[in-house]
Amino acid sequence: EADIYQTPRYLVIGTGKKITLECSQTMGHDKMYWYQQDPGMELHLIHYSYGVNSTEKGDLSSESTVSRIRTEHFPLTLESARPSHTSQYLCASSGPTGGQPQHFGDGTRLSIL
Amino acid sequence: KQEVTQIPAALSVPEGENLVLNCSFTDSAIYNLQWFRQDPGKGLTSLLLIQSSQREQTSGRLNASLDKSSGRSTLYIAASQPGDSATYLCAVPQTGANNLFFGTGTRLTVIP
Repeated sequence: EADIYQTPRYLVIGTGKKITLECSQTMGHDKMYWYQQDPGMELHLIHYSYGVNSTEKGDLSSESTVSRIRTEHFPLTLESARPSHTSQYLCASSGPTGGQPQHFGDGTRLSIL
Repeated sequence: KQEVTQIPAALSVPEGENLVLNCSFTDSAIYNLQWFRQDPGKGLTSLLLIQSSQREQTSGRLNASLDKSSGRSTLYIAASQPGDSATYLCAVPQTGANNLFFGTGTRLTVIP
């Protein structure tokens, strides 16, 4: 069973607030990812990291930022939340080689009022 | 850019039926293909991963096949149960990277 945890599970917050979504994994995986999923739509990659101090933007443009100071931790931050940021955010991790599966957390459902 | 399509978008079957979900992708240069299950409001649970060198993988009542040259994969579910009701997603990695491209999924409902 994969051990990857996201908090909070649900967040309803007003416009303009700074938000940090937490993601932690205990598998020692080097690769971590953030995906965004709107209702009924496919997942899109917004950020990824191949290791400590490595972060890259994904295919879908996002106003969020990420950091990777520790292997197990990959938080996502929105400096000033807007209603357009309302979505589900899913974190994943995988082992070092290209053929390894990605393991997902339960996601954070974010609603900006 | 990789594009992934899943057919049908939704499927309802009575309990006990066998069923097939379809996935197609445009770029056949893939490392692997992964099938996931997503329950409402939840994250993704990995069901099966097929390496590019394999033709099929089995886990319990699930069997996934891969035809890389034609850009297709199928997920076969035997003797369906109400607990199988969920959205099933297939995903393939981008060539040269490890991030995944997802289809929009097939929403399965198994009726008791």
